[in-house]
Amino acid sequence: EDKVVQSPLSLVVHEGDTVTLNCSYEVTNFRSLLWYKQEKKAPTFLFMLTSSGIEKKSGRLSSILDKKELFSILNITATQTGDSAIYLCAVDPNQGGKLIFGQGTELSVKP
Amino acid sequence: GAVVSQHPSRVICKSGTSVKIECRSLDFQATTMFWYRQFPKKSLMLMATSNEGSKATYEQGVEKDKFLINHASLTLSTLTVTSAHPEDSSFYICSASRGSLGELFFGEGSRLTVL
Repeated sequence: EDKVVQSPLSLVVHEGDTVTLNCSYEVTNFRSLLWYKQEKKAPTFLFMLTSSGIEKKSGRLSSILDKKELFSILNITATQTGDSAIYLCAVDPNQGGKLIFGQGTELSVKP
Repeated sequence: GAVVSQHPSRVICKSGTSVKIECRSLDFQATTMFWYRQFPKKSLMLMATSNEGSKATYEQGVEKDKFLINHASLTLSTLTVTSAHPEDSSFYICSASRGSLGELFFGEGSRLTVL
């Protein structure tokens, strides 16, 4: 059965800290891995990863994929209170666009 | 970027009534859209895949007659929760795929509360 597992499930840090969120997966037919940030409404797209070892970066956020070990990490440096959200990892199992989501990591950044 | 619009964003209804939620891709054509359900503090659960011009494909455990999906055009899919009950209260999110890499864009979500 295809599955995506995220850890930790929740995390509390202080502003300025660096955090690493983990996502491991088992899928029969991997196409890509995606990271989303969800605040009060629907998820917003952060990264799509298809190749191993190539870091994707956007400001203080970065992500990398390891297709051999079947995991990805999302790093956030110099965290801010606005980074507080649920971060969702999803895998595209190449089944017409449907995604399999992990449980999410709830990040809380305290002032 | 691509925009997917969902309406209504919030709806409250009485038990036994039916509620329709619309999902529109505003600046691209989407032959396939997806409907997800999310419980509080939980992840997104795929309910069904909506295919333009054909029947939706439902995930295991999702009642077809309860959650009616219609994909009438390349930019519009609708989800109708029929004879809603309090346990149907949830956050429903649609998404649409654009491009060959299948990048997904989400609607804003619809929060349904059934009294």
